[in-house]
Amino acid sequence: EVQLVESGGGLVQPGGSLRLSCAASGFTFSSYDMHWVRQATGKGLEWVSAIGTAGDTYYPGSVKGRFTISRENAKNSLYLQMNSLRAGDTAVYYCARDLYGSGPMDVWGKGTTVTVSS
Amino acid sequence: VIWMTQSPSLLSASTGDRVTISCRMSQGISSYLAWYQQKPGKAPELLIYAASTLQSGVPSRFSGSGSGTDFTLTISCLQSEDFATYYCQQYYSFPRTFGQGTKVEIK
Repeated sequence: EVQLVESGGGLVQPGGSLRLSCAASGFTFSSYDMHWVRQATGKGLEWVSAIGTAGDTYYPGSVKGRFTISRENAKNSLYLQMNSLRAGDTAVYYCARDLYGSGPMDVWGKGTTVTVSS
Repeated sequence: VIWMTQSPSLLSASTGDRVTISCRMSQGISSYLAWYQQKPGKAPELLIYAASTLQSGVPSRFSGSGSGTDFTLTISCLQSEDFATYYCQQYYSFPRTFGQGTKVEIK
């Protein structure tokens, strides 16, 4: 079964750091681009970052310079290092698989919750 | 950045209705558009990609159309399990962007 499972969420103070992980199974992880998408409570979806199979990375302006996406193919794992966290980063964070490279997101995890608060 | 205007934000409908949701881009994206369904407390699910290609396992009552800047998601005969929030998303360029969402509620 194709599956993505996020972990690492929690409560962190403003200015703090957190590292999210996403464990992939049921498919050849190294062959797929991967994404992180977040959703604040009651709000819409916001794309957070992407990483290609060659390790190329992409970010929106809202997180560029603060968040770093990475992957470890040997461990079938995706990561999101989040630094200088702000209250506005509070959300459920989903990892998602890219269907065919620079494509839509066809498999999603259940999400992990990040709360930034003092 | 490609901005997306999705409408309506709220749609009240009854089982059996035909409903349409619109998504307009700030610039042309060819057919690089996807539609997702999200139910409360759940992750989004891919319904349609390449503007009109139905994802495997998605019922045929869902259809998508459009290219360039104007796109439409149609549900031909609304079922009880279709009451959810729907999002469009462009994958023509980075940053990827989503529409604001359309909540389909029971009338």
